Formats: sequence, C-alpha cells, structure tokens
Amino acid sequence: KQEVTQIPAALSVPEGENLVLNCSFTDSAIYNLQWFRQDPGKGLTSLLLIQSSQREQTSGRLNASLDKSSGRSTLYIAASQPGDSATYLCAVSAGAGSYQLTFGKGTKLSVIP
Amino acid sequence: EAQVTQNPRYLITVTGKKLTVTCSQNMNHEYMSWYRQDPGLGLRQIYYSMNVEVTDKGDVPEGYKVSRKEKRNFPLILESPSPNQTSLYFCASRANSYEQYFGPGTRLTVT
Repeated sequence: KQEVTQIPAALSVPEGENLVLNCSFTDSAIYNLQWFRQDPGKGLTSLLLIQSSQREQTSGRLNASLDKSSGRSTLYIAASQPGDSATYLCAVSAGAGSYQLTFGKGTKLSVIP
Repeated sequence: EAQVTQNPRYLITVTGKKLTVTCSQNMNHEYMSWYRQDPGLGLRQIYYSMNVEVTDKGDVPEGYKVSRKEKRNFPLILESPSPNQTSLYFCASRANSYEQYFGPGTRLTVT
C-alpha cells in the first residue's frame, strides 16, 4: 500500500529565506504527484501537478521536482513571505486508471516577519 | 468562477440523526470524491465517483453513503452518524489533467 511521508511536520523560517519541503513515497509506480496548500479552516488549493514523465514544474516562486525512482519530491519556495504561511500537502496518484489519491500529513510552514 | 461548493460549512448534530452534506461543481468534471481529514491521520478518501451513477468505495467508506444522479452533484449521506464521524469533510472534483479541485470543507461535530 502506498505511503506518503512529509518531513518535517512543521517548519518556521524568517521572511525572505528560501526553503525546501520534502515528500517521499514508498511505491515509485505513480502516475502524478500534486502539491497543495491548505490555509486554516479552508480547503486545499492546488499549487503544482507533476506528471510521472516530468522532472519539475514551476509556478512563480514555487518549484516542484520529482524523482520517481527514489520516491521523492521537493517543493522549493523562493524568497518566502508571511503570506506563504500554511500547511503544504503532497499527494500521489497511483495510475492512469486510478481514482485514488494518497496524501501525506503535511508540513506546517510559518514565515516570521 | 470555477469552484466546488459544499453545504453546510458547519454542522453540529446528535448521534443517529440522518444528515446530508451537499457538494456541487461547475466545471463539468466527471470525477468527484469525498475525503475526511483528522488530526494525525491526514486526508483519507471516503467514496469516489467516476461519472453519473458510478460510485466506488475509498479507504474509509463505513458509515457513509453517496449518490451521483447528476454530473455536478455528489452528496454525502450519513444515515446514522456517530461521534467517530466528527471530522472535517472535503469534496473534490478532478479535471482531465488530473488536477484536483477541493471545496471549502464541512466541519461536522456529532455529539
């Protein structure tokens, strides 16, 4: 059964720092990986989707990489801002015909002004 | 605006009183799903639907029912809620690109 782990569970950084969030998964036979952001009391917002054939995706200050063979993905946030404070979740989809997403438990990020 | 809506957003109820949480999407997505989120356990899938009249169980389906009579709607039904169903519930729909769109969540408390 696929397991997704995110380390650390919480991270606190000063404003302006670049940071990396980690996601690992046990079964490398994934179809895609998606990073989400969750603000307190709100739903999940999709940040980046990486297909299994891709190595990275970029959106603004965010860059996500995928190394399928080693079962790892990273989310890089450049020049962090207090507005980046949220919980970041990664999720993997098993296959083209799969309808299930397996989520990690998230990394809670606090960016201190 | 493309969105997934859920109602109600907050609900406090008593054990055994049937309830329905509605979910609607305006993106013409075929695939929809329900998740619950609990501290320490993360997000877990309850049920999903591949299209109208096609549904299947996720990881934690016990105590829940769903129906998909229309493409845009996917209600979650708790016929006899129990305190262990106290949770934060999310509905989601998925585009052909596999990108998932989530609703704002429904916080349910069963006493």
